[in-house]
Amino acid sequence: SSELTQDPAVSVALGQTVRITCQGDSLRNYDASWYQQKPGQAPVLVIYGKNNRDRFSGSSSGNTASLTITGAQAEDEADYYCNSRDSSGKHLGVFGGGTKLTVL
Amino acid sequence: EVQLVESGGGLVKPGGSLRLSCAASGFTFSIYTMNWVRQAPGKGLEWVSSISSSSSYIYYADSVKGRFTISRDNAENSLYLQMNSLRAEDTAVYYCARAHYYDSSGYYSPWGQGTLVTVSS
Repeated sequence: SSELTQDPAVSVALGQTVRITCQGDSLRNYDASWYQQKPGQAPVLVIYGKNNRDRFSGSSSGNTASLTITGAQAEDEADYYCNSRDSSGKHLGVFGGGTKLTVL
Repeated sequence: EVQLVESGGGLVKPGGSLRLSCAASGFTFSIYTMNWVRQAPGKGLEWVSSISSSSSYIYYADSVKGRFTISRDNAENSLYLQMNSLRAEDTAVYYCARAHYYDSSGYYSPWGQGTLVTVSS
């Protein structure tokens, strides 16, 4: 098994850019995927790897993967989780602890 | 529309058993690896178990190994999780999720809406 570490909370002013990071040894070998979860709802895939979608983009360097939101909107306020393969590479069994994003 | 719908959650006493189901529709269920992921109240996501398309490869989190059994019926487009010897710490919303793998990793999409399992006396 392996672990992924995220900052518990991050805030951003409306319309500004914010980066949410995820650290772990498995990220040296595997991409991360990112999920958005709003209260009372199931998680939803945001992006995976180094892809971009709307104002969301992914990147990675060494053991750190990042989710960047360019021009954050009020509806982006949510919990964000990273995920990747475990150290064996056999399954997507590792989640970060989650980051609560507040849009001010 | 691609959809996953879980069912079977409920209140069960410690030491009891429960079987969760996940009905898949809108895609070719038999070619995808499927997973169960859970979320305890107010906590983060925890991967529980994974089963490959033909059930050849099955994996469990250490926290449920020996107590939970994942299975699938490709003819019925259904995924299951048999949960035995339930503990209070198994209380969570259980989600089923479809996995997509590629060389550099993978991702889950879509997710079901979840089913709540409460283990309490």
